[in-house]
Amino acid sequence: KAGVTQTPRYLIKTRGQQVTLSCSPISGHRSVSWYQQTPGQGLQFLFEYFSETQRNKGNFPGRFSGRQFSNSRSEMNVSTLELGDSALYLCASSPAPNTGELFFGEGSRLTVL
Amino acid sequence: DAKTTQPNSMESNEEEPVHLPCNHSTISGTDYIHWYRQLPSQGPEYVIHGLTSNVNNRMASLAIAEDRKSSTLILHRATLRDAAVYYCILRDWDTDKLIFGTGTRLQVFP
Repeated sequence: KAGVTQTPRYLIKTRGQQVTLSCSPISGHRSVSWYQQTPGQGLQFLFEYFSETQRNKGNFPGRFSGRQFSNSRSEMNVSTLELGDSALYLCASSPAPNTGELFFGEGSRLTVL
Repeated sequence: DAKTTQPNSMESNEEEPVHLPCNHSTISGTDYIHWYRQLPSQGPEYVIHGLTSNVNNRMASLAIAEDRKSSTLILHRATLRDAAVYYCILRDWDTDKLIFGTGTRLQVFP
């Protein structure tokens, strides 16, 4: 079956703009979580959603937001982009929280100029 | 959030076993021990997880100390495709929130 799909794979924005990233989980998976990966900070947890509800949130400013739809697809939005937001944004899905394995997508690489 | 400590890097030769250590002295009773690895230009990939007992799957084995303050990921026969960054992570029982450390970069030589 298809894996976790993230779109777009690459994008370039300028400071001050906003961006929306999309994640389609594996069919049947209802839990989606988001991570940011940068060379300096490594992999950092952003949010976790299950059944359209945010269950956990990482230590990121309010410019970072997300949501999950009834079909389990998820989006994350970053407003007022800063240079430091340049990163690989990874989405992971699982059938439900703590069912064991998280399945990660290949990520969306955001460059902020 | 409980933290893990891993060596920054390790080396192995192909076909040899590899033991990747992880210390997690502040682990709580509800924390599961997870291992993920990340190959270049890919998202992390699940390897194995356990709570108290040793675990085996087709990829690796996980040996957990009796006091649960440390664990070891065992790759029985390293291949060049096993070259990756390996992350040892403590995960609370009711969440998908993973707190990644810096991981161990494993190099495998032919």
